[in-house]
Amino acid sequence: GAGVSQSPSNKVTEKGKDVELRCDPISGHTALYWYRQSLGQGLEFLIYFQGNSAPDKSGLPSDRFSAERTGGSVSTLTIQRTQQEDSAVYLCASSFAGTPNTEAFFGQGTRLTVV
Amino acid sequence: GQNIDQPTEMTATEGAIVQINCTYQTSGFNGLFWYQQHAGEAPTFLSYNVLDGLEEKGRFSSFLSRSKGYSYLLLKELQMKDSASYLCAVSLSYNTDKLIFGTGTRLQVFP
Repeated sequence: GAGVSQSPSNKVTEKGKDVELRCDPISGHTALYWYRQSLGQGLEFLIYFQGNSAPDKSGLPSDRFSAERTGGSVSTLTIQRTQQEDSAVYLCASSFAGTPNTEAFFGQGTRLTVV
Repeated sequence: GQNIDQPTEMTATEGAIVQINCTYQTSGFNGLFWYQQHAGEAPTFLSYNVLDGLEEKGRFSSFLSRSKGYSYLLLKELQMKDSASYLCAVSLSYNTDKLIFGTGTRLQVFP
């Protein structure tokens, strides 16, 4: 597709279960970002990929969170042993990296609810 | 740490002009972005400043002063559809393009 695609759009899971969130960036975009947005809040940076490597994982809230990117394209954010405080909208964005004026394009997000 | 500050909420009247301020203190700087986010939707790009001065795009303008760590977004001829959150974001470096966002300013436009 032409835009950033995220799946699923909504996910309800039981506390303690693992979840996987998927992001398909715009074709050719080398930079990929994951953000988390709680209700009424700003965007909390989680992790950034340049190609398949993650030079900055500083935003991951705990070791229950991990992410990978394969083939310089699709990325998966995994949350293990989910907790209720993990409930939020998880947004993925992609951009051309390393050039000026590289706006990031966002997907529609995955709304995660942990019950 | 990285610090980006914006007012939490603002209100304005249809047809008026509103200025949304953003101040930042970051470890690096490779440009400042403004995004618009309607409730329940993804953020969309509005503007980008990397040099000091004013960038104008139709009803929206954005200003940057790097020495002051300050930017503003100016919205003219406000319309009801401009009711949204406006997010200020700083790109930290040329090579990593790491984007750090402020918490956003929720703008309500009244008739």
